[in-house]
Amino acid sequence: DAGVIQSPRHEVTEMGQEVTLRCKPISGHNSLFWYRQTMMRGLELLIYFNNNVPIDDSGMPEDRFSAKMPNASFSTLKIQPSEPRDSAVYFCASSIRGPGNTIYFGEGSWLTVV
Amino acid sequence: GQNIDQPTEMTATEGAIVQINCTYQTSGFNGLFWYQQHAGEAPTFLSYNVLDGLEEKGRFSSFLSRSKGYSYLLLKELQMKDSASYLCAGLLTDKLIFGTGTRLQVFP
Repeated sequence: DAGVIQSPRHEVTEMGQEVTLRCKPISGHNSLFWYRQTMMRGLELLIYFNNNVPIDDSGMPEDRFSAKMPNASFSTLKIQPSEPRDSAVYFCASSIRGPGNTIYFGEGSWLTVV
Repeated sequence: GQNIDQPTEMTATEGAIVQINCTYQTSGFNGLFWYQQHAGEAPTFLSYNVLDGLEEKGRFSSFLSRSKGYSYLLLKELQMKDSASYLCAGLLTDKLIFGTGTRLQVFP
């Protein structure tokens, strides 16, 4: 079975450019999460969706960040405009909604903003 | 707050036993997860505890005390491949909140 699929795996972009990260959750999973990981702050939850609806976006750093989930098999995280401090690994993860259901991570998108 | 605390780094010797502790200071958590993350890779699931007590799974065991807000991950018969970061995470309703992770280095 395919796991969570993310693209791009690596991206280097210039400050001010728009960045779009993409995620395909595991088929049948109805919860989707976007995390950001840095050395300083570890894994931070940015936003999560249940049944394509954003439930909690309190972790989104600022208005430059936005996330959408137009259908059950696709989500995007967009940064516009990007800044060097956005450099991090962005993980998408999915699970079947319910207490204790395991969250499975994608391989991550490694973003460098120069 | 939703603080999850764990040591930053630990070292151990191949074949030994190591215990990685995690404390959390919050209400509303519905369980405790442990994930393993090798450098440059995604976190992978190790264990989940929702009831007090010890859950054993091969060389790895995880313990939870809800009243004390305390968990630990026990790794036995350490192997070199166990060198990784171990992430403690609390389940709050539907979302998983992670600690900053404990980087374990296993030496021969």
